[in-house]
Amino acid sequence: SQTIHQWPATLVQPVGSPLSLECTVEGTSNPNLYWYRQAAGRGLQLLFYSVGIGQISSEVPQNLSASRPQDRQFILSSKKLLLSDSGFYLCAWMTANTEAFFGQGTRLTVV
Amino acid sequence: AQSVTQLGSHVSVSEGALVLLRCNYSSSVPPYLFWYVQYPNQGLQLLLKYTSAATLVKGINGFEAEFKKSETSFHLTKPSAHMSDAAEYFCAVSDRGYSTLTFGKGTMLLVSP
Repeated sequence: SQTIHQWPATLVQPVGSPLSLECTVEGTSNPNLYWYRQAAGRGLQLLFYSVGIGQISSEVPQNLSASRPQDRQFILSSKKLLLSDSGFYLCAWMTANTEAFFGQGTRLTVV
Repeated sequence: AQSVTQLGSHVSVSEGALVLLRCNYSSSVPPYLFWYVQYPNQGLQLLLKYTSAATLVKGINGFEAEFKKSETSFHLTKPSAHMSDAAEYFCAVSDRGYSTLTFGKGTMLLVSP
């Protein structure tokens, strides 16, 4: 069966520091992968999605970037974090009928 | 463009009472519709989905939802609430392409004894 791993679970970072969140998928090949950010009362905001290695689509201009160095690996990064980057980040992969499977999330607090 | 509106950021019910969480969608093509549940500090778990088969969809944990095209609605119901149902619920819509999901802002379900 397919599984999705996301780490770390929680992270506290100072303003201006770099960020790297990693997501990996097992049990499927060539998945569509997604990064969402969740802020209280605002639902899930799609940040990036990828349909293949090296292919990244950005939905919202911001202080973040994404990369897909391997078929089942998706990385969310920032060179310099802002306070507004705090939130709950979720990685997901999606089936052909758009059913999404989510990782456990990363709670990022920028201080 | 597609969108989802969930009416009510918080819904409170008593244990054993009917649960009704409302979702209205907008889509230019026949949609796929989903309900997800999220427990604190966890990812989202699929409750049920509508993909153009039966309009009444049954999901896990006793939840069901009915697709009503004329009302552009996909409301989530459960006949009798349990304490363990307390969580945040998200409605989502897709345009059926192998693309992206658009989520509503979520509804927090509170269940009191």
